[in-house]
Amino acid sequence: GAVVSQHPSRVICKSGTSVKIECRSLDFQATTMFWYRQFPKQSLMLMATSNEGSKATYEQGVEKDKFLINHASLTLSTLTVTSAHPEDSSFYICSAREPRLAGGQNEQFFGPGTRLTVL
Amino acid sequence: DAKTTQPPSMDCAEGRAANLPCNHSTISGNEYVYWYRQIHSQGPQYIIHGLKNNETNEMASLIITEDRKSSTLILPHATLRDTAVYYCIGYRNSGNTPLVFGKGTRLSVIA
Repeated sequence: GAVVSQHPSRVICKSGTSVKIECRSLDFQATTMFWYRQFPKQSLMLMATSNEGSKATYEQGVEKDKFLINHASLTLSTLTVTSAHPEDSSFYICSAREPRLAGGQNEQFFGPGTRLTVL
Repeated sequence: DAKTTQPPSMDCAEGRAANLPCNHSTISGNEYVYWYRQIHSQGPQYIIHGLKNNETNEMASLIITEDRKSSTLILPHATLRDTAVYYCIGYRNSGNTPLVFGKGTRLSVIA
């Protein structure tokens, strides 16, 4: 199946700093990527839909100025947590849509996740 | 996408079959039933999906009732590595629709 990578896998930062997380589709081109956040013992919550070459679509309650998403190429989307605070500490997961598999196939592949800890 | 209901947790003895139920009574005709699992601190992993017919692959079997209001994921011979949270998702695979995760079932495989 298709492979999605994330970098870094783990990051610790000080409160007030910004952190960038990368999501890459390694063997396919993804016009659409999705960003999720997961707090301990909770399910994945969709944050935003990232579209190559256009603005991301954010879910209700997600601050677009705090969580900057850039999908500048067909294989890379980045999520930047700006002015991070301890409450932003979470597990961030991206998924990429493989459009050639659309139509009843498993077309979404998930990255391994990034654990963000804000001190 | 259809709302799904799953038991919060289940135990299974190692080597036995694990049967994970899912109710999706509001599923529409063009929505597939997808199953993913998430092992601790990892990204979700695709298991299997189906529309009407029962499906089987190297990981699991999916049994969908004739009225499509419920389904069962079967892991035929559970191992300790199958301990994970299992998510059942009703999904209309079209356009740029994201997967929406419910709370899932936490399966604990016990030696």
